[in-house]
Amino acid sequence: GDQVEQSPSALSLHEGTGSALRCNFTTTMRAVQWFQQNSRGSLINLFYLASGTKENGRLKSTFNSKESYSTLHIRDAQLEDSGTYFCAAGPDSNYQLIWGSGTKLIIKP
Amino acid sequence: NAGVIQTPRHKVTGKGQEATLWCEPISGHSAVFWYRQTIVQGLEFLTYFRNQAPIDDSGMPKERFSAQMPNQSHSTLKIQSTQPQDSAVYLCASSLDWGLGGREQYFGPGTRLTVL
Repeated sequence: GDQVEQSPSALSLHEGTGSALRCNFTTTMRAVQWFQQNSRGSLINLFYLASGTKENGRLKSTFNSKESYSTLHIRDAQLEDSGTYFCAAGPDSNYQLIWGSGTKLIIKP
Repeated sequence: NAGVIQTPRHKVTGKGQEATLWCEPISGHSAVFWYRQTIVQGLEFLTYFRNQAPIDDSGMPKERFSAQMPNQSHSTLKIQSTQPQDSAVYLCASSLDWGLGGREQYFGPGTRLTVL
């Protein structure tokens, strides 16, 4: 079936540094969403992309539907960035979101 | 805008009892989704309504689970004869369902169901 492969599964960064998360798709996706799940379990919308690149503060995301991947870049990481990050993509065929397995991000002082 | 509202936030039931979970979508959103999150399975799609009509329930367990949307302001997910494996966080989401970015889904805080 349709799959979303998210990596890495865990990431530890020192404050002020940055890194990238990636999701690969095994089928054509029309859009991707990125979420941060905080310590209370709430899913916070970070980005919705049907194509191209969006930037919001220290976060930047790219979606390449032809090459079937999306990335989330974090720069100048802060302690409040800790949490689990999920990508979720919508296939052409329907409206439901198919989820990556998440990246647990820990920011160290 | 209050966002998607889910009640209760936590529910504990005994095995075999019924559980009803409530969701109030964002006003003006015509699409409502239910998902389930567990440690083992991660996030899984359950069912989807559009303009209150059930569109896709392919993720719903065939027995004991049912969902309804009697009006545009709320949806319910009912689990009959709950089992310990039903323990999960149940998430409701809504979206505009049209236009540029209209399919962006917004999530409620979830209902944590624990079946003893």
